[in-house]
Formats: sequence, C-alpha cells, structure tokens
Amino acid sequence: QVQLLESGPGLVKPSHTLSLTCTVSGGSISSGGFYWSWIRQHPGKGLEWIGYIYYSGTTYYNPSLKSRITMSIDTSKNQFSLKVSSVTAADTAVYFCARGDDYDNYLDYWGQGTLVTVSS
Amino acid sequence: QSALTQPPSASGSPGQSVTISCTGTSSDVGAYNSVSWYQQHPGKAPKLMIYEVYKRPSGVPDRFSGSKSGNTASLTVSGLQAEDEADYYCSSYAGTYVFGTGTKVTVL
Repeated sequence: QVQLLESGPGLVKPSHTLSLTCTVSGGSISSGGFYWSWIRQHPGKGLEWIGYIYYSGTTYYNPSLKSRITMSIDTSKNQFSLKVSSVTAADTAVYFCARGDDYDNYLDYWGQGTLVTVSS
Repeated sequence: QSALTQPPSASGSPGQSVTISCTGTSSDVGAYNSVSWYQQHPGKAPKLMIYEVYKRPSGVPDRFSGSKSGNTASLTVSGLQAEDEADYYCSSYAGTYVFGTGTKVTVL
C-alpha cells in the first residue's frame, strides 16, 4: 500500500519561500507510469492543482502559479519537494501531495495534508 | 484554466439517489475521458471514487457511478448512506489538472 506524508514548516513569513517535502513509502518513486503531484486547498475552499513531477525531473506547473513554483525529486530518498517563492497570505492553505497515474490521469494516493500559514 | 462548475450542494434521504453535475468546456471535460471524482470528508484527504469517467477503483462501492455527455460529467450516488455525506470534487485532465468547484452532499 503506497503512503505519502507531507512535512515542512507550518508557518512561513510573507515574502519568504514555502518549502514542503513529500515522503513516499510502500512503493518506489522511480516506478514508471506515475507522476508526483502537489495540490492545495485554501481554508473552506476547493482544490487547486499546483503541479506534478516525473521521476526523470520533468515538471508541469499550473500556469497561474508557474512563476513562483519549483518542484524537485530525490529518488534516493523516495521524496519529492515543492517550493513556493514570495508567499503572501493568499498562499495559506492545506497542501496535499498525491500520486498520479500517467495512463488514465487520476490521483489515486494522497497524503494527509499539511496546513501552511503565511503570517508575520 | 477555469474551475469546472459544480452545484454547491445536493441532498437526499437515506436510500435515495443524488446526482452531481460537473460542467467544463470542449477543451477539458468534452475533449478527454480523463474525468475523475473525489470524495472528501471534513479534515481528511480527498479519496478517488471514479476515474476515466465511469471506472471505480477497487474498494469503492458500486453505488457510485459516473457518466459523461458532451462537456458535462456526472456522479451518481445510489442508495445514499450516512457515510456518503461529504464534499465531492470532479477533475479533468488535459495536460494539466483542473478541479471542480465542489459539491457538498447532505444525507437528510
């Protein structure tokens, strides 16, 4: 059973960079046929797709966030990461990591989510 | 890319059926069969309920079914049970993901 777990600071100051890591267990992040995604949910709101990364390092980002997003992957640690630069209060959200199926394109395994608050 | 449109709420009594619509465009929902549905209980992560318009992952009850016509996809929950009360989100993949606005399903 694949499991994902997000980790990172719960509080980030405005204009700083938000950094999160997702650790994958129960399967290899290098397995073909999948990509590794980040999704966020503002308090009381719907889901917003941030982007995803393949084990090769190829990335696809939400165009509305692209200028501030960087994703990376560390296959040796079975982890992938998200950085969001120049954060504001509008980046306060629960951040989820998830595995995406590259053939049928759906998100089948999700982390529990981690709340990141942007505040001074 | 705009969010897909879902009704804010839907409700039904136990045992009844409820159908949630998800309207996109000819560039997303209408263009591909990569439509999926997610159930989210308060404070929990979303759970995949339907993928490729109508396919159910292992372990999802057959009370959940999906369909699509043109630019609109639908999720039907038959034989409503108390545990079906949750938020439901559709999603379409067309190179990038776009989610629906979400529907809160209440079991009366």
